[in-house]
Amino acid sequence: GENVEQHPSTLSVQEGDNSIINCAYSNSASDYFIWYKQESGKGPQFIIDIRSNVGEKKDQRIAVTLNKTAKHFSLHITETQPEDSAVYFCAASFGANNLFFGTGTRLTVIP
Amino acid sequence: DTEVTQTPKHLVMGMTNKKSLKCEQHMGHRAMYWYKQKAKKPPELMFVYSYEKLSINESVPSRFSPECPNSSLLNLHLHALQPEDSALYLCASSQGFNVMNTEAFFGQGTRLTVV
Repeated sequence: GENVEQHPSTLSVQEGDNSIINCAYSNSASDYFIWYKQESGKGPQFIIDIRSNVGEKKDQRIAVTLNKTAKHFSLHITETQPEDSAVYFCAASFGANNLFFGTGTRLTVIP
Repeated sequence: DTEVTQTPKHLVMGMTNKKSLKCEQHMGHRAMYWYKQKAKKPPELMFVYSYEKLSINESVPSRFSPECPNSSLLNLHLHALQPEDSALYLCASSQGFNVMNTEAFFGQGTRLTVV
């Protein structure tokens, strides 16, 4: 299987600051990593993903970095906005299409 | 169309009732999933269907019975549930097995309350 640890569990940032959420995984065979954003009462929404042969991927204000040696990947949000407030989940996958989720980070952006 | 549609959005049922949750996608995805999510917890995998066949059952009690009538539809039949089964039930789909892992798209969920 896979065990994914996510930190921090809560994160409060000022509007305009940068945010970083970290995940550590246990299975060195994991080769696909993904981040979801979940707003209250809604299903998880895909944000960004990265495969094990890439170290970094960016999409506008969102970036994901992967350190395979350390078995660690991170979500970076630049110039965090109030609409970024939500719960963020990381997930890792290997082989079959099963996602192993982290425990979530509640991000609060203070205007 | 990148949408996974779940119905109903909310469901309240008694412990002796029989009900069904429905999920539909038209993205041509061949893997479909049921997840259960309790408050302030990550989604937990229940079932995976690949090419309309059940491929993963995460030791889910038999009071939950999945069904995949065709490649676009996924049902979850509920019978004799317990109050602790109250949760958000999420359906998701992805391109399928034997394909490099791709993102799973989630529906909005069905908020189930068992009374």
